Amino acid sequence: NAGVTQTPKFQVLKTGQSMTLQCAQDMNHEYMSWYRQDPGMGLRLIHYSVGAGITDQGEVPNGYNVSRSTTEDFPLRLLSAAPSQTSVYFCASRSAGSYNEQFFGPGTRLTVL
Amino acid sequence: GNSVTQMEGPVTLSEEAFLTINCTYTATGYPSLFWYVQYPGEGLQLLLKATKADDKGSNKGFEATYRKETTSFHLEKGSVQVSDSAVYFCALRPSNNDMRFGAGTRLTVKP
Repeated sequence: NAGVTQTPKFQVLKTGQSMTLQCAQDMNHEYMSWYRQDPGMGLRLIHYSVGAGITDQGEVPNGYNVSRSTTEDFPLRLLSAAPSQTSVYFCASRSAGSYNEQFFGPGTRLTVL
Repeated sequence: GNSVTQMEGPVTLSEEAFLTINCTYTATGYPSLFWYVQYPGEGLQLLLKATKADDKGSNKGFEATYRKETTSFHLEKGSVQVSDSAVYFCALRPSNNDMRFGAGTRLTVKP
């Protein structure tokens, strides 16, 4: 199993550009989530999904869109990038049940100029 | 609401020293509690977890006990190694899907 994979590893955008961060998992997990990691703030939940066709907002959803058309994939879209979105983004997945471990991808480091 | 407060770092210790990283939480209901570790350039990995009061999670010499009366889940290790240098995150998951993380504590262990 590859686990949770993310692409790209690094990305530099100009203010106003759009892009999609890709996330895929091959563990047949129902739950997938996107977090951003900023210094001194830990990880903050952006959006999450409890299954294909179902998504919901986390703590910091503004400026981001998600969709979940398949169990495997959960892309994160930045519609119009802003410098405040400079961060490291992590995708995670887990199976149903609140006790279950969450598996994280390696992260995408995004810089918005 | 649900939140986690972690001891601020960075923490620097000598090899074989005793480690404690404090974590307290605020939550409704009965959350599950977790410690994750992040090594440089990598994603987070689960270190240990506890799912109910008085449970003790343990892994790789690390331990943490779920204390409902003090709403705490402090991470401890009796003798740290250089390879334990990393950032440690305390996290809680209430009965819904919204997992909350602390700010992280950076640990550096010197030989």
